[in-house]
Amino acid sequence: DTGVSQDPRHKITKRGQNVTFRCDPISEHNRLYWYRQTLGQGPEFLTYFQNEAQLEKSRLLSDRFSAERPKGSFSTLEIQRTEQGDSAMYLCASSLPRGGLNTEAFFGQGTRLTVV
Amino acid sequence: RKEVEQDPGPFNVPEGATVAFNCTYSNSASQSFFWYRQDCRKEPKLLMSVYSSGNEDGRFTAQLNRASQYISLLIRDSKLSDSATYLCGNTDKLIFGTGTRLQVFP
Repeated sequence: DTGVSQDPRHKITKRGQNVTFRCDPISEHNRLYWYRQTLGQGPEFLTYFQNEAQLEKSRLLSDRFSAERPKGSFSTLEIQRTEQGDSAMYLCASSLPRGGLNTEAFFGQGTRLTVV
Repeated sequence: RKEVEQDPGPFNVPEGATVAFNCTYSNSASQSFFWYRQDCRKEPKLLMSVYSSGNEDGRFTAQLNRASQYISLLIRDSKLSDSATYLCGNTDKLIFGTGTRLQVFP
């Protein structure tokens, strides 16, 4: 399968614990995006990378969230001291812009986080 | 104001109906947009891209109105299988709206 893959697919954690999710983009894609989605809402932009550089981070993202893409390939999203409000689907997408514009972005199947 | 806004719906239409959704955007510098389709508990998948000239693919037509800063999606001859959430997003930052839910009934 050469699509975007995310791991794990599901994560249940206790409030206060740290969690880390991984995203493997399509291999030649240099852009990688992270989103959070709750029921009935669209994907909420969190951050994105161009190769290993984190170019933008949502103002809505608290300091408990951090993302990395150290070698410009896979990316990790860490949430520290999880809260119940962090329960959501975390989606990753990748793209290969042409002329600075995305022609299509492909999404992974997401990691569903439940904080209890 | 959110960068991309949509009416969440739901739009409930009978099979065979024509339905249209609009999506407004605030950044006048955005040049092109996407419509994505998302089925329940699935990841979004690209439906079509929208550039200044618009786009048509079978029963689906998308238009971009720069003067009024909105994008439209028209679905003709609705099928039961069209029931889904339709997400509008800009191509530069991949910012999406909340999505519009469509339910087609028999």
